[in-house]
Formats: sequence, structure tokens, C-alpha cells
Amino acid sequence: NAGVMQNPRHLVRRRGQEARLRCSPMKGHSHVYWYRQLPEEGLKFMVYLQKENIIDESGMPKERFSAEFPKEGPSILRIQQVVRGDSAAYFCASSPKIPGAGVNEKLFFGSGTQLSVL
Amino acid sequence: DQQVKQNSPSLSVQEGRISILNCDYTNSMFDYFLWYKKYPAEGPTFLISISSIKDKNEDGRFTVFLNKSAKHLSLHIVPSQPGDSAVYFCAASGDAGKSTFGDGTTLTVKP
Repeated sequence: NAGVMQNPRHLVRRRGQEARLRCSPMKGHSHVYWYRQLPEEGLKFMVYLQKENIIDESGMPKERFSAEFPKEGPSILRIQQVVRGDSAAYFCASSPKIPGAGVNEKLFFGSGTQLSVL
Repeated sequence: DQQVKQNSPSLSVQEGRISILNCDYTNSMFDYFLWYKKYPAEGPTFLISISSIKDKNEDGRFTVFLNKSAKHLSLHIVPSQPGDSAVYFCAASGDAGKSTFGDGTTLTVKP
């Protein structure tokens, strides 16, 4: 009965390196969301995905950031050429798809990945 | 343009008393509101929600009130317990599917 699994829990990168954050949603959940929490701030929406589709990426920075949720395997948030300002906690959340229902559903969050850029 | 605002960064109450956390929103398209609780080094966990067709939802010690005309909601915890000490996030969603979060209120319940 695993919940939303995120790994790694902590990731340290030097400026200019790539960061890959992984998220496995709860079993049966087909919607994945990524949020970022900067120090002393709230959760900021980044991207909403379903299997093989990006539904809403309005919160993603225009450059260096990308996300995918392939047919098989976890969702990946990829940050290229990291900078110190990317240091934050990145949370993944999932929700189930309920046929006929609206999309106003509670989210189930993972424990987050703390990214530190040196 | 912050669409969901929690104007009190922190709140301290005595054990056994009522905790009231407030949240304001600006987008009239929001029709579903949720509260999440977050402990350090953990992800947020869902606490309680309310649809815009209601003005109150209660679950045990937790009650959420919604005032649509004022675009305001509040979370009441009574009686407050030390284990309730955490960061509380208000969130709102509409037909776009994503939830927009406030910046959170840190609640401290003193024994």
C-alpha cells in the first residue's frame, strides 16, 4: 500500500549539472502534479501530467525545466544546467482519475526531493 | 498575482483552545477548497475540503467555513492539541484541474 514515492530524498548538484527527480504515483493514480517550495515560501504549481501527456505546464520556467510521465515508469522532472536559485524542495502529488467526475480532487503528496545546488 | 493568500504566517494557541486559520482568494472561478497539513521533512497531507455549493464542512475537530461573497475561508480546530502543530496550507482549484496553494500558516499549540 505504497503512497507517492519520490527519489532521491536529497540531491546535491553543482552549478551547471543536471538534476533528475523521480516520482511514482500511488497505484491506480493517473494524474501527477509537480510543485516547488522555495525557502520561506508556499507551494508553487509547476506542471500537471497524465500518462504520456502534459496537461498544464503554466508554472514551469521556460528554460532548463522539463517533465514527463511515460506510459511505463515514474514521472521525471528534469532540470538542466542547475543554478543556485533552483535549490528548493520539489514535491510530487498524484490523484486518481474518476470517470465522469470533475477534477477537483485531493492530492496525495510524496515526501519531496530537497535539491541543493552548490 | 497571488490568487490564494494566507495573511498570517504564524499562529500560537494554548492547548484546548480554538485555532482559527484564515485564507482569502481572488479568483471567482475557484469552486473547490482544501486544507493540507505539513510536518517538517514530509509532504503535505490532506485534511479537509469544501465545495463552493456548501458553506460549512465538519470532520471531527476540524471545521472549514466558506464565505463565497467575501472570497474567504477559514479552518477551525477545536480543541487544539500539541500534535496539531504544523504548517497549514489552504488550496483552491477550479475546472483547470490544478490546485493553487497559499504560503501557509505555521500553527504552534502550546501544552
